[in-house]
Order: sequence, then structure tokens, then C-alpha cells
Amino acid sequence: KAGVTQTPRYLIKTRGQQVTLSCSPISGHRSVSWYQQTPGQGLQFLFEYFSETQRNKGNFPGRFSGRQFSNSRSEMNVSTLELGDSALYLCASSFRVLSGANVLTFGAGSRLTVL
Amino acid sequence: QKEVEQNSGPLSVPEGAIASLNCTYSDRGSQSFFWYRQYSGKSPELIMFIYSNGDKEDGRFTAQLNKASQYVSLLIRDSQPSDSATYLCAVTRTSYGKLTFGQGTILTVHP
Repeated sequence: KAGVTQTPRYLIKTRGQQVTLSCSPISGHRSVSWYQQTPGQGLQFLFEYFSETQRNKGNFPGRFSGRQFSNSRSEMNVSTLELGDSALYLCASSFRVLSGANVLTFGAGSRLTVL
Repeated sequence: QKEVEQNSGPLSVPEGAIASLNCTYSDRGSQSFFWYRQYSGKSPELIMFIYSNGDKEDGRFTAQLNKASQYVSLLIRDSQPSDSATYLCAVTRTSYGKLTFGQGTILTVHP
């Protein structure tokens, strides 16, 4: 099976611009979660989508948004970029195992630099 | 108090030794517990998860969970230099994709 595919892998933007990141989950996985990783804050949950519906949302401002398409592919958007948005953005697709736990598999990430 | 705390590290062990990584969590409603490994410049990869009190073994790795003490640990036996990475503890109270991660412990295994 192909893994989780994220595009683009690297991008550089300037303050005030917006960015859209894309994620294709593992085939058959219907849940997609997004995380932000920075050296200072570590890995923080942004949001999760399941069957095109946002199921969970983290504590990020409204500038961060996302969506999921019928084929389970997901996009996240950050508007009005700030310097502090520079981070590694990780997408994870997941499936539920017999125990009920949701096991996440991460993509390689999109590294965003805001100048 | 942070929701998930890990021993601050960095942790350095000789090759062949046992590495012990610890994690405590504050949410008593947490149901599932995960250990991820992250190599420098790479994304996290799942090592194992545990949801019942006690031990769970997978090869050289053993996860231990004590819900009463709100404590989960990861033991790595016969540590190898290739185990050198950041180890992330994550917990969740649901069966959804929202995990709360600790800050990570940097492990270095020296030959």
C-alpha cells in the first residue's frame, strides 16, 4: 500500500500570504488528521476529518482551516500567514483497530517557512 | 501542568543496554497510549500502542501502562545505534484521530 502523501514538501511564503497543503491518505483510510510541529510547541493537533466532516478541532485561530473531499483527500489552508506559522505540517491517516484505538500513520510532512 | 510529560532527556545509553523512556499524563479519561519514533528530519512512525494496564511486548520494545498512576513507559532492550531518535508519547481519550503528544525524549545510543 502507498503511504500518506503530502504536497508540497517544502514551501516558502511571505507574511500575509496564504498557503494550501494537500494530503492523500492511505487507500481505504477515511480519517485524516493534521498536526503542526514546531521546536517550541512540539506536535499540536489542528483538526481531523472523517467522511468529509470535521470531527475534531484543536486550539488554533480561524486562519487555519481544512476540508476533506469525497475521495478522502484533504487540504488545509492557512490565511494571512504570520512568522510563527513556520512549521512542519503533518498529515496522518488512520484506521480503527479491534481495540477501538485509532492508529495514525503520518506523511512526510510539508515544511512551511514564512519570511 | 502539561497534559503529557516525558522525561526531559536527552538520554544516552551504550549499545546493548536497556533504554527506559517515561511518560505521565493528566487526563484520567485517556484510553489509548502510543509511542512514536521520529528520526531527525523525518516524520513520526508508530512503534506500538497500548490500551490495557500491564505490559505489551513487540520484539525489543515493551510498553508498560499503569492507568492508576497515569504512567506509561517504553523499554528498549539491546539498544542499537539505529534506535537513536526522538521518542514521542501520545495519548487520547477517544477512538478518533486527536492525539496529545509529549515534548519527546531524545535518545542517543552510542557504540
